[in-house]
Amino acid sequence: ETGVTQTPRHLVMGMTNKKSLKCEQHLGHNAMYWYKQSAKKPLELMFVYSLEERVENNSVPSRFSPECPNSSHLFLHLHTLQPEDSALYLCASSQDTGGWTEAFFGQGTRLTVV
Amino acid sequence: LAKTTQPISMDSYEGQEVNITCSHNNIATNDYITWYQQFPSQGPRFIIQGYKTKVTNEVASLFIPADRKSSTLSLPRVSLSDTAVYYCLVGDGYGGATNKLIFGTGTLLAVQP
Repeated sequence: ETGVTQTPRHLVMGMTNKKSLKCEQHLGHNAMYWYKQSAKKPLELMFVYSLEERVENNSVPSRFSPECPNSSHLFLHLHTLQPEDSALYLCASSQDTGGWTEAFFGQGTRLTVV
Repeated sequence: LAKTTQPISMDSYEGQEVNITCSHNNIATNDYITWYQQFPSQGPRFIIQGYKTKVTNEVASLFIPADRKSSTLSLPRVSLSDTAVYYCLVGDGYGGATNKLIFGTGTLLAVQP
């Protein structure tokens, strides 16, 4: 247990569906992250939130929409995805966004788009 | 952020010491060096972090030479369960910049019996 919980662990969705991924951290951290990891590829940083404010958006398609209602929760809303969006989606949190801070990752959501 | 370069893969046997070196030639004065471990279908896990010289914890040691242009993660007496991908990251987050936690390709360590 890392203190970062992601739900669901597995998700299969059609290209016309709308679904949401949820991330929750009980560590009192101020920064939260979304990553995408496709098969045999490095982790791709998607979004960074610091104190509930989005501070990074790495040219992610608009079919991915993040939401951070408070410092403990982070969502990734999905709509009209493509098969190439199938991947492991990882959430992480850290005390702040400084380079000295340790990041804690959730177990991830395995997403399959059919 | 400083770019890092690591070997794509390494092989070892149980009980051996493994050293994984990471190059970060344009590391900045304020940058820290951090290593993470990732098992298949799991999120990365923090292993160790350092700024200069040597850092040791219950899992690994981190050696950083004086010029800080490289770093070496040392895993003593590896076991089969140490088979994973190991990532080297550098970053600071000072001056309002956001530490983006950029992961490179990492090093796939395969430990054999």
